Amino acid sequence: QKEVEQDPGPLSVPEGAIVSLNCTYSNSAFQYFMWYRQYSRKGPELLMYTYSSGNKEDGRFTAQVDKSSKYISLFIRDSQPSDSATYLCAMSAGSGTYKYIFGTGTRLKVLA
Amino acid sequence: DAGVIQSPRHEVTEMGQEVTLRCKPISGHDYLFWYRQTMMRGLELLIYFNNNVPIDDSGMPEDRFSAKMPNASFSTLKIQPSEPRDSAVYFCASSPTGSLSGANVLTFGAGSRLTVL
Repeated sequence: QKEVEQDPGPLSVPEGAIVSLNCTYSNSAFQYFMWYRQYSRKGPELLMYTYSSGNKEDGRFTAQVDKSSKYISLFIRDSQPSDSATYLCAMSAGSGTYKYIFGTGTRLKVLA
Repeated sequence: DAGVIQSPRHEVTEMGQEVTLRCKPISGHDYLFWYRQTMMRGLELLIYFNNNVPIDDSGMPEDRFSAKMPNASFSTLKIQPSEPRDSAVYFCASSPTGSLSGANVLTFGAGSRLTVL
């Protein structure tokens, strides 16, 4: 079993839809949770960052962490064609630990 | 800032040849990471450096892989000899220390796409 599991998709939604992307993990030591967005032929770029449990909102994006279930989510409201990309979750055990474990990514396509 | 710069962007080589990938991190970033990305395994950490010193190379798959960081502005990842299963996109990323309350924000380069025939 991988430490971080992520559905590869692809996920196709119409423009304006709410998108839910998810990752599960097995290591209870993870404290830092991140979402990266990767456009085709580009490097990943940080989208959202959350420490421990709870929610964090940034514009159309909301990140949720449920440590009791070892489950994290990224919600995209009012999805746009420009949101079409691969979304990677990443997590780390925390301060002093610089090894991030990435999910394999979920490919999202938002149809105009 | 030009960001993390990687070269070459694309490399096609034949099995058995030596491959050298290059990375220039963001100035002032004291951490440098090499990742490999494939469809099946996603992003895998190969090795990371702090202040030019290798800290963890446990992700380096075999002795055929080696990485160096001779100074704060340059790093190389070398594969010798290369094999078809090394075909992947290799990313370099850099980070300043503790950029997010104890975690690190990784800034990735655009990647080097390697194809070994």
